[in-house]
Amino acid sequence: QKEVEQNSGPLSVPEGAIASLNCTYSDRVSQSFFWYRQYSGKSPELIMSIYSNGDKEDGRFTAQLNKASQYVSLLIRDSQPSDSATYLCAVNMRSGGSNYKLTFGKGTLLTVNP
Amino acid sequence: EPEVTQTPSHQVTQMGQEVILRCVPISNHLYFYWYRQILGQKVEFLVSFYNNEISEKSEIFDDQFSVERPDGSNFTLKIRSTKLEDSAMYFCASRERTSQETQYFGPGTRLLVL
Repeated sequence: QKEVEQNSGPLSVPEGAIASLNCTYSDRVSQSFFWYRQYSGKSPELIMSIYSNGDKEDGRFTAQLNKASQYVSLLIRDSQPSDSATYLCAVNMRSGGSNYKLTFGKGTLLTVNP
Repeated sequence: EPEVTQTPSHQVTQMGQEVILRCVPISNHLYFYWYRQILGQKVEFLVSFYNNEISEKSEIFDDQFSVERPDGSNFTLKIRSTKLEDSAMYFCASRERTSQETQYFGPGTRLLVL
């Protein structure tokens, strides 16, 4: 069974701090990795995608990927109360031909306290 | 910005009834997906659809489920005889052929089976 594991939290940080979210995955051949943000009762919203080892920065968000360790992380700098949400790690697992499906972790609930 | 739309936003039905959930994927996207999320649980893959046929389905997607693309824009999920355990949020997603496998999610349909 191909799995995606996240520290379930909840994670609580003060406003302005760095929030660090972690994810590991079991399928060694996976090539595409995504972080989605989900507010309560809403659909997943794409925050970042990453495909190569190393860091990828987009504004206050930095995704880090280490394929050898099968590890993906998301750093949120200068956290804001509006960042309070559940963060979902998703791994695009190839299931044959051009078929891909997203396998999600359970998510980490982040609370940013003013 | 183009987005995936879903109707209805909420659906309440009696156990044993048929429901049809509707989605309009982003217009130039070629791959379509249904996911579901039971309250408090992770997002789970149900089915993928490409070129007017199912590409892959999960073990959840049994004979009670079917998908259809009845015209050039709609993508539907039918549950023939709903069970209590079908109560969940159902998300439609789509992706382009040429994008790096990013899937964009619709707002979801909350299904409640009584």
